[in-house]
Formats: sequence, C-alpha cells, structure tokens
Amino acid sequence: AQSVTQPDIHITVSEGASLELRCNYSYGATPYLFWYVQSPGQGLQLLLKYFSGDTLVQGIKGFEAEFKRSQSSFNLRKPSVHWSDAAEYFCAVGAADSWGKLQFGAGTQVVVTP
Amino acid sequence: ETGVTQSPTHLIKTRGQQVTLRCSSQSGHNTVSWYQQALGQGPQFIFQYYREEENGRGNFPPRFSGLQFPNYSSELNVNALELDDSALYLCASSLDISNTGELFFGEGSRLTVL
Repeated sequence: AQSVTQPDIHITVSEGASLELRCNYSYGATPYLFWYVQSPGQGLQLLLKYFSGDTLVQGIKGFEAEFKRSQSSFNLRKPSVHWSDAAEYFCAVGAADSWGKLQFGAGTQVVVTP
Repeated sequence: ETGVTQSPTHLIKTRGQQVTLRCSSQSGHNTVSWYQQALGQGPQFIFQYYREEENGRGNFPPRFSGLQFPNYSSELNVNALELDDSALYLCASSLDISNTGELFFGEGSRLTVL
C-alpha cells in the first residue's frame, strides 16, 4: 500500500530565508508525486508534480522539488521565502493506474516571520 | 480560480441526519474525485466518478455515496451522519482518468456534525 509521511508538522521560517519541506513515500512501483499548497479557507493548489525524467522539478511560485528514489523522498524547496508563502503544504503520491486517487501526507504548516 | 465550485461552503447538521454536497466541475471534465479532510489532517480519498460511474473507492463505508451528472456536476451524499464526519469535503475534477491531466480542486464544503 502506498503511504506518505511528512515528518514536520510545523515549520517557522524568517522572510527571505530558505525553506525545505520533507516528504517520504512508500510505494512499490515508480510513484507519481505531487506537492500542493492550501491557504486558509481555500482548496488545494498544485505547486509541482513528478512523473518521470529529470528528478529536479520546477514548479510555480519559485518552488522546486527533488525526487530521490534511493531515499524514497520528494522534498520541496524554496530559496527565499515570502510572507505570502505562509500556508499548509501537502505532499501526495499517486499511481498511473489510479489517476485522481491520491494519498496525501498529513501536511506541514509553514509560518513566515518578518 | 480553478473553475471548480462547491456548495454549500459551510453547513451544520446533527447526528443521524443526511447531507448532500455539490460540486460543479470544469466543462469537459468527465472525472471527479471526492476527498475528506479532517481538521489537522491531509485529504483522504473517498471515491471517484468517471463518466457517471463509480471508478474506485477509498476506505469509506457505504453510507458515503455519490452521483455524477452529464452536465459535469456531481454530488456527495452522506447518510446517518456521525460526529467524525465533521470535515472539509473537497472535490477535484480532471479532464480524464489518464495520468497526464491535472486535478483541479474546489474550495470545499465544511461540514460540522453536532
């Protein structure tokens, strides 16, 4: 069975500092991996996705993520955080034969301080 | 703006009652997935509908049921409400069940069961 672990429930980062959110997955085959962001009172917005190919994936809002098969990880990074990046971030895993049926992690709440 | 709208945005029910939540997908999107997001947790897959037929279900009891209509709208019905059903319910539409289409999430319906 597939599963996703986000070890950090809550992260506080200063504006302008770098950010890294961790995601570990468990899946038998090559997974499809996603990062979503959720602002208060809003739905989920896709930041980026990995299906195959280049293991460094660029997304929207200056985010990137790196797929590391050997570590079963798909960590999200941003070099310089803006106050508007304060939100909850979810890592998710899917499969080719079950599109739309994603397994989400529990999320990481990001707080940005001045 | 994802083009996916959900209604109502908030509602309160009591235990044992029934509720219907509605989702309007983007035009042409023939796949809709429903998720339950309890407070402080990641979304959990409830079920998916493809061309008006159920196409997979997560670990939810039969009192969770759905319908999808030809006009790209869909419903999630929950019977015999329990306190643990209190959550944000999200629908996500995609163009097809292929593995290349993005999922577009609505902003959710927040259900409180008293």
